[in-house]
Amino acid sequence: DSGVTQTPKHLITATGQRVTLRCSPRSGDLSVYWYQQSLDQGLQFLIQYYNGEERAKGNILERFSAQQFPDLHSELNLSSLELGDSALYFCASSVAPSGGAQETQYFGPGTRLLVL
Amino acid sequence: EDQVTQSPEALRLQEGESSSLNCSYTVSGLRGLFWYRQDPGKGPEFLFTLYSAGEEKEKERLKATLTKKESFLHITAPKPEDSATYLCAVQAWYSGGGADGLTFGKGTHLIIQP
Repeated sequence: DSGVTQTPKHLITATGQRVTLRCSPRSGDLSVYWYQQSLDQGLQFLIQYYNGEERAKGNILERFSAQQFPDLHSELNLSSLELGDSALYFCASSVAPSGGAQETQYFGPGTRLLVL
Repeated sequence: EDQVTQSPEALRLQEGESSSLNCSYTVSGLRGLFWYRQDPGKGPEFLFTLYSAGEEKEKERLKATLTKKESFLHITAPKPEDSATYLCAVQAWYSGGGADGLTFGKGTHLIIQP
């Protein structure tokens, strides 16, 4: 158990809908990352937050957005869902983006999203 | 653009048969190279971080090494419970500094037969 929690574990929805995925980082971790894992693309970095502020963006679609709250939990919002958005979504956390062991990212168990 | 290529895509070994997994990478400036293990339907589990060429780290039957172009994950006398997908990832330095997400390879699916 990495100490990172994600809810829900599974989510089934229809095209065009909007969903919110939630992540609680490990105790003491200030940085949260979101990743998408699909069969053809592998694990892809979406976005990073550090202490409530957006810090880095990867291959995140404009239909997707995220935020990190004062209690450090984070939410990933996916809107206007398409069939191709079906994937595993992982959250990871690290202490801080300050180099060395503090940057090691620990992953949560993921949310499996199925868009029908 | 950072790139990570892992080989082989899949590997089937007999219990006790040692082997190595390869991770070739291209990155502007390496901040760290990471190895993770992923079981089906679960999140990646952290194994090692390597920071500079020549560095080696060991954990039980696993040993990770790093050169300027590639990393190897050596598995010695594996057991069936070592069966998993092993993922390699890099993190790069950027001119603006600060952290960024990891760039992952597609993984090596390892099966250890009893």
